[in-house]
Amino acid sequence: KNQVEQSPQSLIILEGKNCTLQCNYTVSPFSNLRWYKQDTGRGPVSLTIMTFSENTKSNGRYTATLDADTKQSSLHITASQLSDSASYICVVSAGSGGSYIPTFGRGTSLIVHP
Amino acid sequence: DTEVTQTPKHLVMGMTNKKSLKCEQHMGHRAMYWYKQKAKKPPELMFVYSYEKLSINESVPSRFSPECPNSSLLNLHLHALQPEDSALYLCASSLRQEQSYEQYFGPGTRLTVT
Repeated sequence: KNQVEQSPQSLIILEGKNCTLQCNYTVSPFSNLRWYKQDTGRGPVSLTIMTFSENTKSNGRYTATLDADTKQSSLHITASQLSDSASYICVVSAGSGGSYIPTFGRGTSLIVHP
Repeated sequence: DTEVTQTPKHLVMGMTNKKSLKCEQHMGHRAMYWYKQKAKKPPELMFVYSYEKLSINESVPSRFSPECPNSSLLNLHLHALQPEDSALYLCASSLRQEQSYEQYFGPGTRLTVT
């Protein structure tokens, strides 16, 4: 069964600090992995997308890494801001014959305090 | 225009009511999705439309009836819902259904069934 596990479940940090969120998956065959940011009561917004051949991708203060061998990804947030407070969701897609079957992680709830 | 819009933002309905959720995009995307999200849980895929045809139905109860009248619009018709159907309903679209195409999410409709 395809699964995506995220850790930690929640995280509290001080403004200006860095943090790293983890994502482990068992999706097969692997197609791509995305990190989304979701503010409370809003739709998810894509931060990064990585395919099998990519092992790092940055989007401003967000840097995602992918190790396809160990089936792990991380999202590193640098110099956190209050606006980074949100849920961060890892989504892994299986690709087979052109279909798109996303598996969502349960998310990491990040709170940034001043 | 890189936006997916959803109306209404909030909806309260009784168990005997009939209502519809609407989703619209003008990015030329040919795949559109409905997700259901409960509090503190990841989005759950409900339906996928590809080129205006229903491609995936994730065993959703018949009280939810999707419709894709054209390539820009996606509706979700609701009838005889239960209180446990209260959730955030997210619409998303992507250029194509396959593989690495990014999904763009709308802001969601917050549905409360009384």
